[in-house]
Amino acid sequence: AQSVTQLDSHVSVSEGTPVLLRCNYSSSYSPSLFWYVQHPNKGLQLLLKYTSAATLVKGINGFEAEFKKSETSFHLTKPSAHMSDAAEYFCVVSDTVGGADGLTFGKGTHLIIQP
Amino acid sequence: EPEVTQTPSHQVTQMGQEVILRCVPISNHLYFYWYRQILGQKVEFLVSFYNNEISEKSEIFDDQFSVERPDGSNFTLKIRSTKLEDSAMYFCASSDYRTYEQYFGPGTRLTVT
Repeated sequence: AQSVTQLDSHVSVSEGTPVLLRCNYSSSYSPSLFWYVQHPNKGLQLLLKYTSAATLVKGINGFEAEFKKSETSFHLTKPSAHMSDAAEYFCVVSDTVGGADGLTFGKGTHLIIQP
Repeated sequence: EPEVTQTPSHQVTQMGQEVILRCVPISNHLYFYWYRQILGQKVEFLVSFYNNEISEKSEIFDDQFSVERPDGSNFTLKIRSTKLEDSAMYFCASSDYRTYEQYFGPGTRLTVT
């Protein structure tokens, strides 16, 4: 069985400062890990993915995440926050690399950007 | 850029009524999924569909739910007799056979009164 824990329900940062959204996972296999973003009244957009290649993964809009197996973590970072980054962020795990398995979502972290 | 579309964006129905939520996946994708998000809760997997049959389903996906690909483009989720607790945002997603990236539609907000 797989699970995801997002350690913060809300994170507030000032514009131009770094962003850190924390995620820990549990998986029986070598997992695939994802971060999705959901802007208000919009669908879920894939930010980045890890699938057993490079442990540091770069995504869209300047976000990146590092897979640390020893810590079972996949934290999302961005060097400098922008107002448009305000959204809900979901850490997601899948036990399989391909195929039709469903994704397991974390509860989400609401990112607030202060001007 | 191709995208997953869903109709309607908002559906209001009375308890006990049947509803059909529609999705048009990305055209060359072969795997299709439904998820739901009850207000204030996490996104939950309902079902996946491949080669015209269900591949995996969660415990949420009981006999009240069914999925169908009635033609070459649409993918539908039917709830036979809606309950108040079915009120949620329902997301459709699709992926191709080469990657594991699921692309999500904008969702249908279902309100059961």
